[in-house]
Amino acid sequence: GEDVEQSLFLSVREGDSSVINCTYTDSSSTYLYWYKQEPGAGLQLLTYIFSNMDMKQDQRLTVLLNKKDKHLSLRIADTQTGDSAIYFCAEDDYGGSQGNLIFGKGTKLSVKP
Amino acid sequence: DGGITQSPKYLFRKEGQNVTLSCEQNLNHDAMYWYRQDPGQGLRLIYYSQIVNDFQKGDIAEGYSVSREKKESFPLTVTSAQKNPTAFYLCASSIHGEPNSPLHFGNGTRLTVT
Repeated sequence: GEDVEQSLFLSVREGDSSVINCTYTDSSSTYLYWYKQEPGAGLQLLTYIFSNMDMKQDQRLTVLLNKKDKHLSLRIADTQTGDSAIYFCAEDDYGGSQGNLIFGKGTKLSVKP
Repeated sequence: DGGITQSPKYLFRKEGQNVTLSCEQNLNHDAMYWYRQDPGQGLRLIYYSQIVNDFQKGDIAEGYSVSREKKESFPLTVTSAQKNPTAFYLCASSIHGEPNSPLHFGNGTRLTVT
């Protein structure tokens, strides 16, 4: 079945760039997503990329998609302590309907001052 | 402000008791979802509903039940048949059929069963 994998932890210093990586298996995914979860809260959509795009930039966030390798990454420039959270990569499992998303286990980003 | 409200935030129950988690949204979204989150795990889909009076099982529906009598409400019942009910439960909603429409999540209910 479909699977999404990401490393569980990442630690960076404030001001550095963070790069969170993700691999997925379903080559028919239409959209790929990055969600952020702060402690004790629900998930918040950060950004998404359509599968025919290679890159998407949104302020400090850059998403890179390598469809051949089924590899997705999220780069956060000038990482701040407020960026400390768990970041989930997800692929859609049903032609774009977000309810049937396959989520990775999440990468916990720790930002040291 | 529009959003999704889950209540209560923390819930404690004895083993063998059924418990119902509330989820209400005022976003006028057609679709609603229940996910379960365990430590170090991704989200797993329990049930979803794309329209009132209709719902489908997700990947881990056993031991759970839902109803969708109103567009705004999608309560989840954790029954005594659920073998490991202690978890963080997240409700979400979206505009059905709109890929760019983000999932809106509630702040979750942490259920502890002893």
